[in-house]
Amino acid sequence: GENVEQHPSTLSVQEGDSAVIKCTYSDSASNYFPWYKQELGKRPQLIIDIRSNVGEKKDQRIAVTLNKTAKHFSLHITETQPEDSAVYFCAASRGSARQLTFGSGTQLTVLP
Amino acid sequence: DGGITQSPKYLFRKEGQNVTLSCEQNLNHDAMYWYRQDPGQGLRLIYYSQIVNDFQKGDIAEGYSVSREKKESFPLTVTSAQKNPTAFYLCASSIGSSNQPQHFGDGTRLSIL
Repeated sequence: GENVEQHPSTLSVQEGDSAVIKCTYSDSASNYFPWYKQELGKRPQLIIDIRSNVGEKKDQRIAVTLNKTAKHFSLHITETQPEDSAVYFCAASRGSARQLTFGSGTQLTVLP
Repeated sequence: DGGITQSPKYLFRKEGQNVTLSCEQNLNHDAMYWYRQDPGQGLRLIYYSQIVNDFQKGDIAEGYSVSREKKESFPLTVTSAQKNPTAFYLCASSIGSSNQPQHFGDGTRLSIL
């Protein structure tokens, strides 16, 4: 089955700097890659997703890039703010009924 | 999302007891899912259901059971066979079962007494 690895497990950045989180996946048939943000004790919320027919997608300060050849995708957050502090999860899906396989998460801390 | 309601928020289980976690959605979604989240780990799939009266095991189904008698409801029972039930349980739903965003509930934190 699919295996998703996520790095780093923890990341601290200064407010205003950029943050990058990387994920690799094993199943070359995977074609959907969402990113979720989870604040402490709360539900994961979808922040951005990308499909395999697209190499990059942006939404304000957030962007995701996908390299299908290398089987990895990354989340980029620019101009980080303290409210960006949370755990971020990547996931991958090949469109099957089982849907998503999640990475282990990255704890992002934005220092004021 | 206000469309998915999990209850209770906190639950305590005694030895040998079965407990049931509720998940209700009013989003008219066909697919529903149960995940388990342990500290420092990602979400692991317990069970999923694509349609009423049908459900499939996920990666860690042992010690759990589900039912899907109504489209809007997908309760999870943690049985006494689950020896390490302490975790945060998340329910999710999606429009369909093919590459659609999943929407999560607020979760239930289960602990052993």
